[in-house]
Amino acid sequence: GNSVTQMEGPVTLSEEAFLTINCTYTATGYPSLFWYVQYPGEGLQLLLKATKADDKGSNKGFEATYRKETTSFHLEKGSVQVSDSAVYFCALNSGGSNYKLTFGKGTLLTVNP
Amino acid sequence: GAGVSQSPRYKVAKRGQDVALRCDPISGHVSLFWYQQALGQGPEFLTYFQNEAQLDKSGLPSDRFFAERPEGSVSTLKIQRTQQEDSAVYLCASSSLARAYNEQFFGPGTRLTVL
Repeated sequence: GNSVTQMEGPVTLSEEAFLTINCTYTATGYPSLFWYVQYPGEGLQLLLKATKADDKGSNKGFEATYRKETTSFHLEKGSVQVSDSAVYFCALNSGGSNYKLTFGKGTLLTVNP
Repeated sequence: GAGVSQSPRYKVAKRGQDVALRCDPISGHVSLFWYQQALGQGPEFLTYFQNEAQLDKSGLPSDRFFAERPEGSVSTLKIQRTQQEDSAVYLCASSSLARAYNEQFFGPGTRLTVL
């Protein structure tokens, strides 16, 4: 079956530091890959996505590249801000009729000024 | 509406009580999903509707859980004879189409606490 493994949190960084949150996956077929973010007190929001191998998703300074050879979709940002403090979830959605999202456990990021 | 809405936002139930959780998807979205998110975990799939048809209920943990979407819009997740292990946040999401690359838009969730 499908599964997503994210690096354990929590992650605490100072403002302007470089961020990497690792994500690897196991899936049948050709999955689409997503990063969702949950800000304090808010619902899940799509941050970025990639639908095929070597695609790079990007949004709000975050980016992730779909690496089929390493089954990975690591999230990166060059310079984090306090407002990036949130829980980040990696997720996948297999192709064909398997439309449901499979999520990782989430990584709590705290950015200090 | 502007987004997916869910009600109530918080629900406290005594063990053994029945509860009903409501989801209003984005207008025109044909696909609707329910997920369960335990504390400190990622959301887990419960069930999926395309219009009024429930196409997948493989994630429902027991026959105490029942979901419906009779007119292809609003959906209700019902839990009968609640147990403590049912305590979680229940998330609803909708999507314009059930495609692998399509974004699912999530509601704020209903936090259920079973005492």
